[in-house]
Amino acid sequence: DAKTTQPNSMESNEEEPVHLPCNHSTISGTDYIHWYRQLPSQGPEYVIHGLTSNVNNRMASLAIAEDRKSSTLILHRATLRDAAVYYCILRDWGGSEKLVFGKGTKLTVNP
Amino acid sequence: DSGVTQTPKHLITATGQRVTLRCSPRSGDLSVYWYQQSLDQGLQFLIQYYNGEERAKGNILERFSAQQFPDLHSELNLSSLELGDSALYFCASSVENSVNEKLFFGSGTQLSVL
Repeated sequence: DAKTTQPNSMESNEEEPVHLPCNHSTISGTDYIHWYRQLPSQGPEYVIHGLTSNVNNRMASLAIAEDRKSSTLILHRATLRDAAVYYCILRDWGGSEKLVFGKGTKLTVNP
Repeated sequence: DSGVTQTPKHLITATGQRVTLRCSPRSGDLSVYWYQQSLDQGLQFLIQYYNGEERAKGNILERFSAQQFPDLHSELNLSSLELGDSALYFCASSVENSVNEKLFFGSGTQLSVL
């Protein structure tokens, strides 16, 4: 599985935008970029995913670099409820479709 | 509520014992995944089933086994339990077996081995 690199932790203020970066320099052409988050004492929760184009949904936006070697998860207005560990994961068609979680970025949101 | 149901929520047992964790996927989902989360190892993929067949295997110990039944629910069996098996066990499900779809996770079973 191709690897991703994320900062261990980030901090934000409530109601401000948050940009969570992810590097995946060894990404292959068929890898999908997925983001999940895990709130305290809960199971992981799907956030967004994409292949090449930027994606938007009600939770967040995903900006994918043109060379696909990095991506950024954007939370437009952070709330206290967004405090969680955010995981950037690559899923490929080669052999297994399992999600392989790294250490993720722990996001702290200050009131 | 993800629609994935895991039982029991908490399980306390002793070393050497055997336990069974149960997962009911979302209605219509054919794939079931099992994950183990401990403080020092993070979220580790254990095993995946698709429509009753084993699809992928991760870091699953030989003492652990799983199966998916015809009604698509799944069970994870842990035997000869050791202190180090204490962890949160998550089940997830998805409709098919595609990298272009999302997984839905249950709220987990907290296993404590004393």
